[in-house]
Amino acid sequence: DTAVSQTPKYLVTQMGNDKSIKCEQNLGHDTMYWYKQDSKKFLKIMFSYNNKELIINETVPNRFSPKSPDKAHLNLHINSLELGDSAVYFCASSFGGVNTEAFFGQGTRLTVV
Amino acid sequence: DAKTTQPPSMDCAEGRAANLPCNHSTISGNEYVYWYRQIHSQGPQYIIHGLKNNETNEMASLIITEDRKSSTLILPHATLRDTAVYYCIVRGPNNAGNMLTFGGGTRLMVKP
Repeated sequence: DTAVSQTPKYLVTQMGNDKSIKCEQNLGHDTMYWYKQDSKKFLKIMFSYNNKELIINETVPNRFSPKSPDKAHLNLHINSLELGDSAVYFCASSFGGVNTEAFFGQGTRLTVV
Repeated sequence: DAKTTQPPSMDCAEGRAANLPCNHSTISGNEYVYWYRQIHSQGPQYIIHGLKNNETNEMASLIITEDRKSSTLILPHATLRDTAVYYCIVRGPNNAGNMLTFGGGTRLMVKP
């Protein structure tokens, strides 16, 4: 049983399209995150979200938006895709607070052509 | 921005202990030290975390200096499967959204 699962694992799409990446966790966590890992392998936080608060990294373009239908899901919507959006996107989840580990999904490799 | 400094790469012989250092000289009293690793093409994997005391689990040991300005992750008997990028992260209540902020990490190569 996968704790944090993302779909799809690979996504190839054309510039200008709108796409979504889904994330589900079955750990009962109340906080979920999205990270982006670019070609230089740096992992950058994009969003942190629980049922009370959305924290957005100020460097994230507003074409990116997280949507949470319920506590177990945090989907990532991307509008008007650009070549620079090509990266691996990781979803993660944890309980709130700082004395608790976060669990990561296996990533979605997005390629914009 | 990451608050830690790690060597970019290290080698270790298989079966020997791997000692990965991390400097976090600006750590605050309420911030934890976390270690994660990322094996090629996989999601980051939690290893261990601590506040002040040394910690040990089935994967590794974490040694934190008394002044808390540095720490060492110890993999007691490294195997080839431990080849990965290891990230040392400082995390505290002042991090918006309790986020984990990753730096460049240390690329550990375990050699036969």
